[in-house]
Amino acid sequence: LAKTTQPISMDSYEGQEVNITCSHNNIATNDYITWYQQFPSQGPRFIIQGYKTKVTNEVASLFIPADRKSSTLSLPRVSLSDTAVYYCLVGDTYNNNDMRFGAGTRLTVKP
Amino acid sequence: EPEVTQTPSHQVTQMGQEVILRCVPISNHLYFYWYRQILGQKVEFLVSFYNNEISEKSEIFDDQFSVERPDGSNFTLKIRSTKLEDSAMYFCASQPLRGADTQYFGPGTRLTVL
Repeated sequence: LAKTTQPISMDSYEGQEVNITCSHNNIATNDYITWYQQFPSQGPRFIIQGYKTKVTNEVASLFIPADRKSSTLSLPRVSLSDTAVYYCLVGDTYNNNDMRFGAGTRLTVKP
Repeated sequence: EPEVTQTPSHQVTQMGQEVILRCVPISNHLYFYWYRQILGQKVEFLVSFYNNEISEKSEIFDDQFSVERPDGSNFTLKIRSTKLEDSAMYFCASQPLRGADTQYFGPGTRLTVL
């Protein structure tokens, strides 16, 4: 399982776009990149998953450069309710279903 | 939208006692997981379960822990003799099939060992 590195914390203001970058230099060919969100005292919640280039859904976008050694989760126009911990996970979801969470990035959105 | 449910939401027990944490995964899901999160720390994988047997487990999942799917709906985690350091949030998750893009997590059970 590839090791991931994310900033420990980030601050933002309501209405801003937030970009959280995750480094995964040892990503393997079969690995996918998955992001989860966790609010205090709740279970993690899936946000988005991608393999390469760009993925977008109703919540976020995920940008993955050609070398796949990093990825960036983009949250458009954050609100106070986006304050949470965001986890980047890298793994071969077809052969290894156990997910190894890192410390995550604690995002604080201020008014 | 279907959800993973867990009971109880909070369990308080004395050190050395056995506890059983219960989870009802989403119907028709095939893969089941337990994770734990000690207060202020990261989410840690404990065990995955498929086809009525453990498929993977972490180094945390020692002989004190066991999992069971006693019927078609419940998925349980048993801790035989709790220790103070077992105090944590325990999350159950389920997944429809291997390679699916997401695991669906339950709300968690907060276990407090006194």
